[in-house]
Amino acid sequence: KNQVEQSPQSLIILEGKNCTLQCNYTVSPFSNLRWYKQDTGRGPVSLTIMTFSENTKSNGRYTATLDADTKQSSLHITASQLSDSASYICVVSETSASGGSYIPTFGRGTSLIVHP
Amino acid sequence: NAGVTQTPKFQVLKTGQSMTLQCAQDMNHEYMSWYRQDPGMGLRLIHYSVGAGITDQGEVPNGYNVSRSTTEDFPLRLLSAAPSQTSVYFCASSQLGTSGGNEQFFGPGTRLTVL
Repeated sequence: KNQVEQSPQSLIILEGKNCTLQCNYTVSPFSNLRWYKQDTGRGPVSLTIMTFSENTKSNGRYTATLDADTKQSSLHITASQLSDSASYICVVSETSASGGSYIPTFGRGTSLIVHP
Repeated sequence: NAGVTQTPKFQVLKTGQSMTLQCAQDMNHEYMSWYRQDPGMGLRLIHYSVGAGITDQGEVPNGYNVSRSTTEDFPLRLLSAAPSQTSVYFCASSQLGTSGGNEQFFGPGTRLTVL
């Protein structure tokens, strides 16, 4: 069974500090990995996508890494802001039999709280 | 371009009542899905559709029905509501196909309480 495990479950940091969120997966065959940000009371929004050949991708203060060999990804947040307080969800998609990619497995998310 | 819209935003039902959660998207996406989100459980897939007339079950389909008569709409029906169905429901849509094309766009959610 495909699984996506995220750690830590929750994290509290001070504004301006950096943090790293982890995602381990067993999804196979791997198609891509996305990190989503979900603000309280809203639907998730995609931050970044990682495909098999990509090791690092940045989106502003967010940097995602992927190690396809160990099936691990991380999301690093630099110089955190109060608006970074949210749940961060790792979603890994497998390649379907037709070659497309639409079967996602969701992690349970990491709840990040940034204190002033 | 409204993206993914869901109605209602909030709903309170009594046990045994039925209702339909509406979902619509205007991005011409083939793939649409319904999730429920419970504290500590993350998002769990209820049903999904890869195109008009095609639906399939996800991880937690019991107690829910779906249909997809058009590309734009994907309603979720609760046949006989139970307290265990108290949750926040999200509808999402995406393109099908290549690895770069399946970003899921989520609606704002429907918060359902079953008494």
